[in-house]
Amino acid sequence: DVKVTQSSRYLVKRTGEKVFLECVQDMDHENMFWYRQDPGLGLRLIYFSYDVKMKEKGDIPEGYSVSREKKERFSLILESASTNQTSMYLCASRSILEAFFGQGTRLTVV
Amino acid sequence: SQQGEEDPQALSIQEGENATMNCSYKTSINNLQWYRQNSGRGLVHLILIRSNEREKHSGRLRVTLDTSKKSSSLLITASRAADTASYFCATVSSGYALNFGKGTSLLVTP
Repeated sequence: DVKVTQSSRYLVKRTGEKVFLECVQDMDHENMFWYRQDPGLGLRLIYFSYDVKMKEKGDIPEGYSVSREKKERFSLILESASTNQTSMYLCASRSILEAFFGQGTRLTVV
Repeated sequence: SQQGEEDPQALSIQEGENATMNCSYKTSINNLQWYRQNSGRGLVHLILIRSNEREKHSGRLRVTLDTSKKSSSLLITASRAADTASYFCATVSSGYALNFGKGTSLLVTP
């Protein structure tokens, strides 16, 4: 059974903290993605990676960075968390055809 | 960038009825995919239709694609309460990223 695992389901952080969201996949996929999902806005792409150490900005990269040191792991970093980054964060990895999603991390920044 | 736009935003039907959701997109595509999301969870891939296909079936799902109109529809036949979820279309044009719409929220009541 293929799997994408996000490190936390729920997370509460303080404004200004550095936040790490971790994502691991066991399918040997080259492509991995981070989306955020907000009511009425759907899924918006933050960053994606098509290979180890390779990354591309998505539609809303401001305030975020990513790290992909190993093929199976793709980390999203909030350099200095702000309340407008309160959201559901979804990690995905992609085969040639379809994407597989993690269960999501609901991040609240207070 | 967000390509797909689902319609309607919300749909409420009774068990046994058919549910039809539509998706419009903006640029040429390689394929179009439909995903389902149960409340507060990650997305699950349902079906993929390639740009040279017009119709595809999978169980109670039927997907059509009209590239001339840049639109697709997802039909769920004989709906069940367990079909209650949000449904998203996603397109892949060039590159690696899946571009999602804002989704249709389906409620199936017993």
